[in-house]
Amino acid sequence: GNSVTQMEGPVTLSEEAFLTINCTYTATGYPSLFWYVQYPGEGLQLLLKATKADDKGSNKGFEATYRKETTSFHLEKGSVQVSDSAVYFCALTISSGSARQLTFGSGTQLTVLP
Amino acid sequence: KAGVTQTPRYLIKTRGQQVTLSCSPISGHRSVSWYQQTPGQGLQFLFEYFSETQRNKGNFPGRFSGRQFSNSRSEMNVSTLELGDSALYLCASSLEYRANEKLFFGSGTQLSVL
Repeated sequence: GNSVTQMEGPVTLSEEAFLTINCTYTATGYPSLFWYVQYPGEGLQLLLKATKADDKGSNKGFEATYRKETTSFHLEKGSVQVSDSAVYFCALTISSGSARQLTFGSGTQLTVLP
Repeated sequence: KAGVTQTPRYLIKTRGQQVTLSCSPISGHRSVSWYQQTPGQGLQFLFEYFSETQRNKGNFPGRFSGRQFSNSRSEMNVSTLELGDSALYLCASSLEYRANEKLFFGSGTQLSVL
């Protein structure tokens, strides 16, 4: 089956530090990859996505590159802000027959201190 | 354009009762999916509907059911509630039913079972 493995949290960083949250996946087929972010008391919102190998998704200073050879989609940001404190979910979707298979990682809690 | 709307926002029930949660997708979106989020299990897929047809179902007991109406609004029902059903239930919508589409999430219904 499909699965997503994320870096265990929580992660605590100081403002302006470099962020990496690791994400690897297994999939029977060719998935699309996503990072979603969840702020306290809210639902998830899409941060970025990539739909084919070597694609780089980017948004709000965050980046992730679809690496087929290492089955990874690590999230990075060069300089985090306090407002980036949230839970980050790596996810994949893949078509299987007539069904769309959605799989989320366990989430990584990020806290950024001023 | 209004986002995904979930009602009610909070719900308190007792064991053995049943509950119905509602989700109104973004106007024009035809796909609705449901997720259960708990601190221990993370984000787990319940089911997904597209054009009133259930396209995929997660690994949950038959007490969890759902449906989608002709206007794309969706409801999920949980019968014979158990303490372990306490969770945040999230609904997401998308325009179509493709693997590379982003999901738009509601803020969720927080269900507490006493």
